[in-house]
Order: sequence, then C-alpha cells, then structure tokens
Amino acid sequence: DGGITQSPKYLFRKEGQNVTLSCEQNLNHDAMYWYRQDPGQGLRLIYYSQIVNDFQKGDIAEGYSVSREKKESFPLTVTSAQKNPTAFYLCASSRGLSNEQFFGPGTRLTVL
Amino acid sequence: KQEVTQIPAALSVPEGENLVLNCSFTDSAIYNLQWFRQDPGKGLTSLLLIQSSQREQTSGRLNASLDKSSGRSTLYIAASQPGDSATYLCAVSILTGGGNKLTFGTGTQLKVEL
Repeated sequence: DGGITQSPKYLFRKEGQNVTLSCEQNLNHDAMYWYRQDPGQGLRLIYYSQIVNDFQKGDIAEGYSVSREKKESFPLTVTSAQKNPTAFYLCASSRGLSNEQFFGPGTRLTVL
Repeated sequence: KQEVTQIPAALSVPEGENLVLNCSFTDSAIYNLQWFRQDPGKGLTSLLLIQSSQREQTSGRLNASLDKSSGRSTLYIAASQPGDSATYLCAVSILTGGGNKLTFGTGTQLKVEL
C-alpha cells in the first residue's frame, strides 16, 4: 500500500537532548513537509523540501533541522535549541509543491 | 500575512442533519484550498481540493465551495452520521518565491450524536 509512515508514534525526550523523527513515503512524491500542531492552534510549517538535497525553512524553523538525502525520506531533528518542543508533529508529501498534500499519522513528542 | 478562520469552533448535531462548516481567509490570491479531516490523535485525511479557478468540488456526501473574491469556503456534509465526528480543517495555499505554502485554520470540531 502506498502511503506515508512516521515513527515513532510517541517519543519522550529529556531536556537538552536532540531527537530525530522519521518520515518515509512510497508515493513517489517530490515534495515533503514537516508541520507542528499545538492545541488550539492551526498547523504550522517547520521545513519543506521540493526535491532531493534541497529544503527551505518554513514559518517556525528555529530549533529544528532536516535533511533530504533520499526522495523517500525526510527526517526532522528537534534540537536542544527548541524552547518548547512538546507537540504533535506531522509529515506530509505531495507530487509537486502545488499539489494536494497527504499526511502521515504523526509523532507525539513530549519533553520530560 | 494570510490568516484562516473557521467558524464555528465546535458543533454538535443529531444524526441525519445536513450541516455547513465555514472557512474564511484574508488574502484572496490563493492557489488552491484543501479540506481535511482529523480524528483524535491521528494525522490528517484529505477530503477535497479546490483549485482557485474552480467553484466547487464534490465527493460522496461532501461538497465544498469556494468564493475566492470574498475569501470564503464552505464544506457541506449531507445526512450526517456518527462516523463523521472529527475535527475538520481547511487550508489555503499561496505561491511564494520559495514555493507553495499551506496556511491552516484552527478547525471545527464536529460531533454527530445518535
């Protein structure tokens, strides 16, 4: 089945640690995205990538980093510089930047 | 800066009722508008995508309309069912120098009761 997978589903982090969230898609989509969702707020764009080896900052990129070494994969690292990392993180992909976006099941990150 | 508002924030209706969810946006220069459904603790499921040149899209019991000039979209759900209970999000995209970006509303939480 084609789709987007995210792992882990739940992640706990101690303050000061970096953690990496996985996002994989087998839809052959060129574009991939990372969003953050907080209660009472809309989704906010962290980073996006139009093509392999290229990515751009979204609206709230500070404290995050990404890589796009393979078309299928777009991992997100939440660094210790992110002041309030506890949130629900969603990965998405689309055939091109102007096309319909499809989402993964999400990763809930909690900082202890 | 594009802002997207969804009203109401929450809605409770009896099963079988037809209902309308509203979405408004401040910048009418959008590329497309997408409606999503989100179940608690889950990712988003795409329901309908309306290109800026279109007026409406239909899928089963769902119909979405777009009035770009007034900055409004509605999602019509016919003959609601308990399984329709979820949060419904709308998102608009604009083309910028850095590509296409989606701006999301905060959603309408729908509960369909037996």
